[in-house]
Amino acid sequence: DQQVKQNSPSLSVQEGRISILNCDYTNSMFDYFLWYKKYPAEGPTFLISISSIKDKNEDGRFTVFLNKSAKHLSLHIVPSQPGDSAVYFCAASGLGTSYGKLTFGQGTILTVHP
Amino acid sequence: KAGVTQTPRYLIKTRGQQVTLSCSPISGHRSVSWYQQTPGQGLQFLFEYFSETQRNKGNFPGRFSGRQFSNSRSEMNVSTLELGDSALYLCASSLHVVRGSYEQYFGPGTRLTVT
Repeated sequence: DQQVKQNSPSLSVQEGRISILNCDYTNSMFDYFLWYKKYPAEGPTFLISISSIKDKNEDGRFTVFLNKSAKHLSLHIVPSQPGDSAVYFCAASGLGTSYGKLTFGQGTILTVHP
Repeated sequence: KAGVTQTPRYLIKTRGQQVTLSCSPISGHRSVSWYQQTPGQGLQFLFEYFSETQRNKGNFPGRFSGRQFSNSRSEMNVSTLELGDSALYLCASSLHVVRGSYEQYFGPGTRLTVT
């Protein structure tokens, strides 16, 4: 039962353009969502988060959009840089879920070409 | 402020052996969660500790256990290792201790290979 899904295993983008990574969830109890970036042989690095009371959150080049009715969130990276090439995971948690548990999607490999 | 540290970074064990992995959270973080990452299953939640108590456990067999010390450092133990336990084991700490988890900060992981 995959409660958080990232349906695109990979995404290729040209440097300077926008990268859009998508994530869908099924559990209505989720009310907090996070995006992480992961390089090989390293742990995930927290990027940005959004609460379900908002529909948008920005931090520099990163913006996360949340559509609660569609149970969908997306991460926009503008402009994309070669250093952004990594695996991106979306994760979810909520007051209705258990302590200390993030539920992760399977990840999307982003490649930004110079 | 120092990040989450995990030791050792790499480990090779034989089937049937046991292993202990260590995690030191970010200073001031009292919640520590553990995850297993494999190519097939992705990132899977193992358990969470707060104030030396396990508050939550994922769907893993009893061979996987953990503990937390009074300084918030945590260890996880895997007994009777199986080939399928080969994975990257990640520790994460959080300042938030209420339900809902919120931001967690991850260590670099321990790469366990079982032969």
